[in-house]
Amino acid sequence: DTGVSQNPRHKITKRGQNVTFRCDPISEHNRLYWYRQTLGQGPEFLTYFQNEAQLEKSRLLSDRFSAERPKGSFSTLEIQRTEQGDSAMYLCASSLMQDSYEQYFGPGTRLTVT
Amino acid sequence: GEDVEQSLFLSVREGDSSVINCTYTDSSSTYLYWYKQEPGAGLQLLTYIFSNMDMKQDQRLTVLLNKKDKHLSLRIADTQTGDSAIYFCAEGPNFGNEKLTFGTGTRLTIIP
Repeated sequence: DTGVSQNPRHKITKRGQNVTFRCDPISEHNRLYWYRQTLGQGPEFLTYFQNEAQLEKSRLLSDRFSAERPKGSFSTLEIQRTEQGDSAMYLCASSLMQDSYEQYFGPGTRLTVT
Repeated sequence: GEDVEQSLFLSVREGDSSVINCTYTDSSSTYLYWYKQEPGAGLQLLTYIFSNMDMKQDQRLTVLLNKKDKHLSLRIADTQTGDSAIYFCAEGPNFGNEKLTFGTGTRLTIIP
């Protein structure tokens, strides 16, 4: 399978704990995006990388959120001191820089904070 | 700012055509998209249209763009049960702003 993969698919955590999600983009895609989707809403942009550089961050990305893409391949999204409002589906997408209008999404990680 | 609006629900009889509508506000968007999301899954890129086009056809899918009214539609011909899903309209990127801005989605239900 050469699509975008995300792990874990589901995560249940207690409020105040830290969580980390991983995204593996389509091979050779140099752009990687994170979005968040809450129930009944469309995805909202969080941040994106071109290779290892984080080029844009949404105001939705509070100080408790950090994203990395250390070698320009996979990316991690960490949420510290989780809150119930962080419960959502976290979606990753990737694209080729020259075809950045085609963003391909992974299956998402569903986070539930209890 | 950007805003994308869609109606929440659409019900269509199997075999009929479905038409899902969307309005957007950012006239500088270079592309407009339709994504499909099935329950518990990520988003599948169905089709997209460049902002200087007014129509694009791809098998059962027809996209119409009215740039003057900032209105986008997706027509699905011969709707099948497998077309049941939530359909999202999105706009972007534009001039180095790489994010996509999504609508709230239209839930398409197929009536047998």
